[in-house]
Amino acid sequence: DVKVTQSSRYLVKRTGEKVFLECVQDMDHENMFWYRQDPGLGLRLIYFSYDVKMKEKGDIPEGYSVSREKKERFSLILESASTNQTSMYLCASSTRDRGRSPLHFGNGTRLTVT
Amino acid sequence: DAKTTQPPSMDCAEGRAANLPCNHSTISGNEYVYWYRQIHSQGPQYIIHGLKNNETNEMASLIITEDRKSSTLILPHATLRDTAVYYCTIGSGGTSYGKLTFGQGTILTVHP
Repeated sequence: DVKVTQSSRYLVKRTGEKVFLECVQDMDHENMFWYRQDPGLGLRLIYFSYDVKMKEKGDIPEGYSVSREKKERFSLILESASTNQTSMYLCASSTRDRGRSPLHFGNGTRLTVT
Repeated sequence: DAKTTQPPSMDCAEGRAANLPCNHSTISGNEYVYWYRQIHSQGPQYIIHGLKNNETNEMASLIITEDRKSSTLILPHATLRDTAVYYCTIGSGGTSYGKLTFGQGTILTVHP
């Protein structure tokens, strides 16, 4: 089974801190994604990557950056955390099969910024 | 990306079939229909996907209308553990690299 592992289930950070959310997948998937999930807004795509060192903006990239130095690892960075970035963050991966491959999600990191 | 519309909530009795509808009237020819579900405090779990033919796996069946503008996810014998939020989403290949847009989903509650 595909395993997508997010480094923390719960994280509490202060406003202005630099925050790193880490995600690792073990199935040699080319594509990796970061979503955030908020009540009433569903899942929204922040960034995605289709190869090492490649990245594309999703629907809500403002305030975030990403890093993909190795194929199995995709990091989400909050350069200066703000309270409106309190959310559930979900990482996902998939193979590059012309969009037919389903996404495999991790169990999420619930981030609270105080 | 095509948009999907789902009812916000549905109920089902345990042991009965749960039929969850989804409208995707703007779907284009190369876009697949995907279904996921999310149980509280977990990440979304893939269920099934299809292009134009009906599909079945060990979890569910997917019925896609001939014009592809709507689909139905069928859980043949719902159990209490099937209580979850169910998402219908559309995705395609090419330059979108499997990017999916999720809506609000349907909250399915299975009653004893």
